[in-house]
Amino acid sequence: SAVISQKPSRDICQRGTSLTIQCQVDSQVTMMFWYRQQPGQSLTLIATANQGSEATYESGFVIDKFPISRPNLTFSTLTVSNMSPEDSSIYLCSARGAYNEQFFGPGTRLTVL
Amino acid sequence: AQSVTQLDSQVPVFEEAPVELRCNYSSSVSVYLFWYVQYPNQGLQLLLKYLSGSTLVKGINGFEAEFNKSQTSFHLRKPSVHISDTAEYFCAVMQAGTALIFGKGTTLSVSS
Repeated sequence: SAVISQKPSRDICQRGTSLTIQCQVDSQVTMMFWYRQQPGQSLTLIATANQGSEATYESGFVIDKFPISRPNLTFSTLTVSNMSPEDSSIYLCSARGAYNEQFFGPGTRLTVL
Repeated sequence: AQSVTQLDSQVPVFEEAPVELRCNYSSSVSVYLFWYVQYPNQGLQLLLKYLSGSTLVKGINGFEAEFNKSQTSFHLRKPSVHISDTAEYFCAVMQAGTALIFGKGTTLSVSS
C-alpha cells in the first residue's frame, strides 16, 4: 500500500489569494490525482497529474484556476488560485498503487473568507 | 464514460439489523468496482474492491459486496451493523488507466 501525506492539513485564506497544497507519496506511483470534496458532497475529480507533462483536467476545471505540478513519481502540488468562498472544500490527493488500488491522502481543509 | 449511482442517499437502521447499500454503475467496457467508507471528519478508507474472479467480495469490518454484471450492480451488505458503522459510504468505479469516479454517497445511520 502507499501512504500519502498532504500539507497543509487545513488553512483559512482570504478571498483573492492563492494556496499551494503539497502531496507526498512514500513510494513511486504511476498515476496521481487531485479531488475536491465540497461540504456534505461526494468526491469530484479535478485532474490527473501527469509526471513530466501538463495535467489532464476534468470538465469544469481549468489550469489557470488549478495549476498542478508533478516533478517526479512521488510528489505533486495543486494550487488553488484567486480564491473565492466557493472554493472552500477539502482537497484530496490520490495515488494509484499496484493491483489497481487507489489510495487517498488525509485531505486539506480549505476555508476561504 | 463510466458513472455510478447510489440509490439511497440515507439509510437509517437499528443496531444489529442487516443493511444493504445499493450501487449501480454504467460503463461500456469492463470496470473495477470499489466501496470506500468515510467516518465523520476523517479520510477515506477502502472497504473492499472487485477486480476480477469471484463475484462475492469480502472486505473489512464484516462488509461484503456482490458484483452482478447483468444488473450492473455492486451492492454492499452487512448482516449485523454496529453503532460504529455510522459513516458515509461511497461506491466508486474505475476503468483501467483512468481515475476513480465516485457516487454521491450514502449516509448510514445506526441507532440503538
